[in-house]
This record gives sequence, C-alpha cells and structure tokens, in this order.
Amino acid sequence: SQQGEEDPQALSIQEGENATMNCSYKTSINNLQWYRQNSGRGLVHLILIRSNEREKHSGRLRVTLDTSKKSSSLLITASRAADTASYFCATDESGSGYALNFGKGTSLLVTP
Amino acid sequence: NAGVTQTPKFQVLKTGQSMTLQCAQDMNHEYMSWYRQDPGMGLRLIHYSVGAGITDQGEVPNGYNVSRSTTEDFPLRLLSAAPSQTSVYFCASRTGTGGNTEAFFGQGTRLTVV
Repeated sequence: SQQGEEDPQALSIQEGENATMNCSYKTSINNLQWYRQNSGRGLVHLILIRSNEREKHSGRLRVTLDTSKKSSSLLITASRAADTASYFCATDESGSGYALNFGKGTSLLVTP
Repeated sequence: NAGVTQTPKFQVLKTGQSMTLQCAQDMNHEYMSWYRQDPGMGLRLIHYSVGAGITDQGEVPNGYNVSRSTTEDFPLRLLSAAPSQTSVYFCASRTGTGGNTEAFFGQGTRLTVV
C-alpha cells in the first residue's frame, strides 16, 4: 500500500524563497528518496537518505529524516521558476526493497 | 544512454480490448516495476519483478499481467481494458546490487480507455 504522505499537497511561493515539503510514512525503511516530476514527464531522482542518516545536502536541496517520528522533509533553498514541479517521497521498506512506495506528492509553483 | 524506454507514449483503447505496454531498460537492472499515476493518487504499484522469471503483485494488480523473460524487458498486459484503467503508466528500474539504490523512470504511457 502507499507508504508516504506528503504535506502540503500544493505550495506556491515566489522566486528566491525557500520551499519546504514534508513526508510521513508508516513502516520501517531502508531509505527514503525524493523525486521530482515535471508536468507530463517521468520522475527524476533527487536525493536518497539512508535510515541511519539524519540530514543530507545536495546543491540547494536539504533533506532530513526522523525515523522516530517516521517523517522526512525536503527543503529547496532560493527557489527558481524552474523548480516548479511535483515532488514525491518514496520509501524503500525494510525487508522488501524491491519496489519503492510513493506518496501522493506536493505540487510546487514558483512564480517569478 | 537510453535508460528506461516505454512504448507507446499515447494509446486509446476501446473497452474490452487488450494491449501490451512495453518497457525496456539497458542498465542491466535486476528490479523493474510498473506504476500507474492518477490525479490526486500519486503513484501506485501494479506489479514488480526482482529478476528474469520472477514477478509479484503490487498494490493494484487486478486487470494486469506481467512477465519477465529477459533482464531488459518487462511488458505490462491489459487483458480486457476498462475505463477505470485510464491512467498514466510508468515503468521503473533499479539495481539490486548494494542496496539503497535509486529508481530510473521511463517517460510514461498515457492510456485512455473509452
């Protein structure tokens, strides 16, 4: 069943602002991943954080993971119009890491 | 690098027709999966495979069949299309070696059943 649940469902900000989206999940995981989907396109991997990591950075992305609360957050700093997309968290469940379980996504709109 | 290739990109079917969505990857990945994406529902797992000859059901398998005769190919068959199967279908692959690996997605097949 679907594992992750993103919050908020939609987010609208202006260029230069930071965007934060959250993900909650239900079971034990090996890792949690964030993906981006531009309109009408396939998903692209952004960042992976392992269950024993608490924070990870990649360029303007910062991901945190709190396994005690079963939650993660994705922060995009200094947003650009090109960051407009849907963002999904995906969990790689412990004991069954064959296919990822995706949440419903956060739709981010960055206006110039 | 081709990555994950899905064909066709668009398809319109009549209710009751059957068809096969093709998925091929050239990265020698063990794991392959099919998802469907519906508005407000995110991606839901249909079927997945951990290697040639091995498949298993995901969250929403009814109405779909899969097979994995080679490492490269993982076709998804709609047995008798229904309007409820109107969706965007994504194929994904990832390596199972080493664990903690990312998935690579195809560009999707947009299917409409009328």
